[in-house]
Amino acid sequence: QQQVKQSPQSLIVQKGGISIINCAYENTAFDYFPWYQQFPGKGPALLIAIRPDVSEKKEGRFTISFNKSAKQFSLHIMDSQPGDSATYFCAASRAGNNRKLIWGLGTSLAVNP
Amino acid sequence: GAGVSQSPSNKVTEKGKDVELRCDPISGHTALYWYRQSLGQGLEFLIYFQGNSAPDKSGLPSDRFSAERTGGSVSTLTIQRTQQEDSAVYLCASSLGTAGTEAFFGQGTRLTVV
Repeated sequence: QQQVKQSPQSLIVQKGGISIINCAYENTAFDYFPWYQQFPGKGPALLIAIRPDVSEKKEGRFTISFNKSAKQFSLHIMDSQPGDSATYFCAASRAGNNRKLIWGLGTSLAVNP
Repeated sequence: GAGVSQSPSNKVTEKGKDVELRCDPISGHTALYWYRQSLGQGLEFLIYFQGNSAPDKSGLPSDRFSAERTGGSVSTLTIQRTQQEDSAVYLCASSLGTAGTEAFFGQGTRLTVV
């Protein structure tokens, strides 16, 4: 059973557009929700993360929106650029479980110039 | 080093052979994780080390997989009698510990079993 469900699997956006990736989780004990960005041949790199006590967090062009009651969170990339083309993973973890990350299956984003 | 270092970057091995994958975490990071990234499967947790505590091995898929961490630093993931389904990218991550939740990843070792 996939504890963190991510959609869409792939996404094509025009330069300057908004990219939106959604995730839903099952376990209400999760208390840390990061988004990772991965380029081919590289390991994942932390992009932005949120805790459930806030509904939104913004860092530059990247925003996480968090809906605790719906058990959903999303990543918005504003003014998408070709350099944003990568695979994005949402994840979740909780205290008391060694902070191991439970991952979504990833979204392959392509930003057309 | 400045980041998590993994070696080798690529490894091709014959089915049935043993392989060792190495991870050198960020200096001072007490927590170390191994994950496996398979095509279409996403990332799955394998094993976790925290300081001198007993490791969390709950993610290891079979008894052919083992890992150790020497001196609280370098870790080695060993796969015995490799099978084709072991082909994947093996990623190592380290963090400051359970309170420091950001995990920093290495570039991974791409293992191909032929």
